[in-house]
Amino acid sequence: SHVLTQPPSVSVAPGQTARIPCGGKNIGSKSVQWYQQKPGQAPVLVVYDDSDRPSGIPERFSGSNSGNTATLTISRVEAGDEADYYCQLWDTSTDHGVFGGGTKLTVL
Amino acid sequence: EVQLVESGGGLVQPGGSLRLSCAASGFTFSSYEMDWVRQAPGKGLEWVAHISSSGDTIYYADSVKGRFTISRDNAMKSLYLQMNSLRGEDTAVYYCARDAYNDLWSGYWDCWGQGTPVTVSS
Repeated sequence: SHVLTQPPSVSVAPGQTARIPCGGKNIGSKSVQWYQQKPGQAPVLVVYDDSDRPSGIPERFSGSNSGNTATLTISRVEAGDEADYYCQLWDTSTDHGVFGGGTKLTVL
Repeated sequence: EVQLVESGGGLVQPGGSLRLSCAASGFTFSSYEMDWVRQAPGKGLEWVAHISSSGDTIYYADSVKGRFTISRDNAMKSLYLQMNSLRGEDTAVYYCARDAYNDLWSGYWDCWGQGTPVTVSS
């Protein structure tokens, strides 16, 4: 079954670009989603199908997926982007949902 | 407005049972596949169970298979999770989540409830 690996934390200054990787064997062949979760709140879908954005999500959020790494990129980071971010895919070989361990984004 | 509201969480002793409910409103519940996802205190998200729109296809995480049962009542616009033989490691906030596709299945979720906390402890 798929195992998704994320760094525990990423730090970035306001206005800079944050990149959060999600590693997995041949993940590039899968559809990957990203969720943002702020303390005490439910997760929010910010990227789906590798690189698409739901309505209402700023264009600053983008995604890519190739080879063994999917990446969430947040441009022009704002203080309000500080949150935990989780990558996710559906493992069709086991019919299980799979999440990465999560990355805490800190805005310095 | 699309809304999912979980209820039924609480404190239960190890080995006990609990039934969670999720009330849906603002969309055609019977057209969407649904899932339960949980989050242990200070930990990440863990997918728990999936049910198709008609209820005839069900999947479980290995950690809960044989102990938890997911079900739905489309007439009542409600999703359920019956949890038996509860263990300390089942302590978590439990979220119900709506699949992103109407009348299809995507394997990801565009709408989440606020969660209901479950604590398994003696």
